[in-house]
Amino acid sequence: EAQVTQNPRYLITVTGKKLTVTCSQNMNHEYMSWYRQDPGLGLRQIYYSMNVEVTDKGDVPEGYKVSRKEKRNFPLILESPSPNQTSLYFCASSAGTGGGQPQHFGDGTRLSIL
Amino acid sequence: GQQLNQSPQSMFIQEGEDVSMNCTSSSIFNTWLWYKQDPGEGPVLLIALYKAGELTSNGRLTAQFGITRKDSFLNISASIPSDVGIYFCAGHNNAGNMLTFGGGTRLMVKP
Repeated sequence: EAQVTQNPRYLITVTGKKLTVTCSQNMNHEYMSWYRQDPGLGLRQIYYSMNVEVTDKGDVPEGYKVSRKEKRNFPLILESPSPNQTSLYFCASSAGTGGGQPQHFGDGTRLSIL
Repeated sequence: GQQLNQSPQSMFIQEGEDVSMNCTSSSIFNTWLWYKQDPGEGPVLLIALYKAGELTSNGRLTAQFGITRKDSFLNISASIPSDVGIYFCAGHNNAGNMLTFGGGTRLMVKP
């Protein structure tokens, strides 16, 4: 089954404690991206990757890091989380490299930073 | 980044009614996508539009790519309780590698 898998689904942690949210897709997609969803703001793109070792900033990259060492994986790293990063996070992937192809989304990771 | 204005922000309707929502942008897009998000899940693609003026249906859903390329609308006919969720529009222009999302329309359907 074609899918995008995020882990963990829920996490409560404290300010400053480094955390990583993993994302894996089994569709051999070139394009992967991370979004955060906040009430009334829709989904805002944090980072995206057009292929292995190619990453770029989205609209809200501050406080986040990503890496793309393998095609299937695109982890999101919060080196020093802060309360304003409490949000619902989605990983997505699509064929092609331009971002205009329909993106397949994971089921989300709800992060609470205390 | 670019802005997409989606309206209405929320709708509470009676089962069987038709629904209409739209997105407008200050800049041109070459692709419009409509997604639905059910509670506790990620957005799922409903309809993709790639050409100005294009009108596409998916069951009871119909979406159109505005002729100016700055807007798109989604209609749902004869709503049913499982239509409940958040609907998002998203636009892409070929100048960049990002997808821009609207703020979402929360649809509630009363049986």
